[in-house]
Amino acid sequence: GQNIDQPTEMTATEGAIVQINCTYQTSGFNGLFWYQQHAGEAPTFLSYNVLDGLEEKGRFSSFLSRSKGYSYLLLKELQMKDSASYLCAVRDRDYKLSFGAGTTVTVRA
Amino acid sequence: DGGITQSPKYLFRKEGQNVTLSCEQNLNHDAMYWYRQDPGQGLRLIYYSQIVNDFQKGDIAEGYSVSREKKESFPLTVTSAQKNPTAFYLCASSTLQDYNEQFFGPGTRLTVL
Repeated sequence: GQNIDQPTEMTATEGAIVQINCTYQTSGFNGLFWYQQHAGEAPTFLSYNVLDGLEEKGRFSSFLSRSKGYSYLLLKELQMKDSASYLCAVRDRDYKLSFGAGTTVTVRA
Repeated sequence: DGGITQSPKYLFRKEGQNVTLSCEQNLNHDAMYWYRQDPGQGLRLIYYSQIVNDFQKGDIAEGYSVSREKKESFPLTVTSAQKNPTAFYLCASSTLQDYNEQFFGPGTRLTVL
């Protein structure tokens, strides 16, 4: 199985930048995913990293270091609608995902 | 439109009753998954299936059962043996290709009274 850690909560101001860290210990790493989940709704896919480095997608970027077992999700130009839970998930070679507990981000005006 | 559907959105049952949650996808995905989500915890895998008529236990399979008679459908039965069934249940599907993510259904919130 996987052991995945991420902070429980983060608060930031509208227009600011927030970085959500995720560390993992894994057997059979086959990719890392970030999902966004609004309360009571399904998770929606944000980003995927399988090689080391930065992947940029509009206001969202994700970074991976496989040797350090570390990833982060960077949210830029925060908007009120970005208030949500952000889930870090690691995939194994059987295509199963293991999720962290999620980081609740609150964006203040 | 392609997607994953789960029904119902909210479900109430009395303690001791079995209940079946439905999950259907028209994305032609080979793999389907069931997760449970509790407050303050991440999604935990209950069962998954990568091919019709075959499925595997996840991390918390006790008290649950599944079937995969059709590629499109992966129903989950919460049995009376599940000690704490009240939770938010999410179904997902994916291809078995590296660069593809899991897509999630809208979820079923089960409350056992």
